[in-house]
Amino acid sequence: EPEVTQTPSHQVTQMGQEVILRCVPISNHLYFYWYRQILGQKVEFLVSFYNNEISEKSEIFDDQFSVERPDGSNFTLKIRSTKLEDSAMYFCASSPRTGSYRGQPQHFGDGTRLSIL
Amino acid sequence: AQKVTQAQTEISVVEKEDVTLDCVYETRDTTYYLFWYKQPPSGELVFLIRRNSFDEQNEISGRYSWNFQKSTSSFNFTITASQVVDSAVYFCALNGQNNAGNMLTFGGGTRLMVKP
Repeated sequence: EPEVTQTPSHQVTQMGQEVILRCVPISNHLYFYWYRQILGQKVEFLVSFYNNEISEKSEIFDDQFSVERPDGSNFTLKIRSTKLEDSAMYFCASSPRTGSYRGQPQHFGDGTRLSIL
Repeated sequence: AQKVTQAQTEISVVEKEDVTLDCVYETRDTTYYLFWYKQPPSGELVFLIRRNSFDEQNEISGRYSWNFQKSTSSFNFTITASQVVDSAVYFCALNGQNNAGNMLTFGGGTRLMVKP
């Protein structure tokens, strides 16, 4: 069964450094997402992306964050200058666009654990 | 605004017991979708079920069943004859029709521990 793959599984970075989290969505999916989960807390929406542009973003997704689909397969999340509070599990997800895209299940990757020191 | 509440933060049962996880949601949308996801100790999020707001039929899949009641804005999840492998955090989530970006709003999760 097709999967969303995320790399790396664990990233340790010094505060203030830039970090790029990578994702390969399921190949025939057209909607892409990033969520984050601070340890022990709920999963929070960051951003959704369709047709090479951001569809929606949350308040968490400030100017320090950016997303990109640099080629036909990868989808990246960049944090420009990391803070301690950016430490979390970051999940990438994708969903198909068949008929009405709304409500299509989002399929999640295994996540990247980001630790900011 | 959308909101999902899972009032039970943690449930502990003994294997073979039945267990129900509660989910209550709030939305102003007339069309919306509800989901359950499982997060095992390994950390990934596994899709379990989707239900749209027009379909109030209960669903059963093996030992899992879901009870959607629009009148009480609830979408509860029951595991029958629980097993140790069911131990995980379970999240209920909501997607309203007016979300331009198809975002999911998650509840806080219920940690289920099934003891042998």
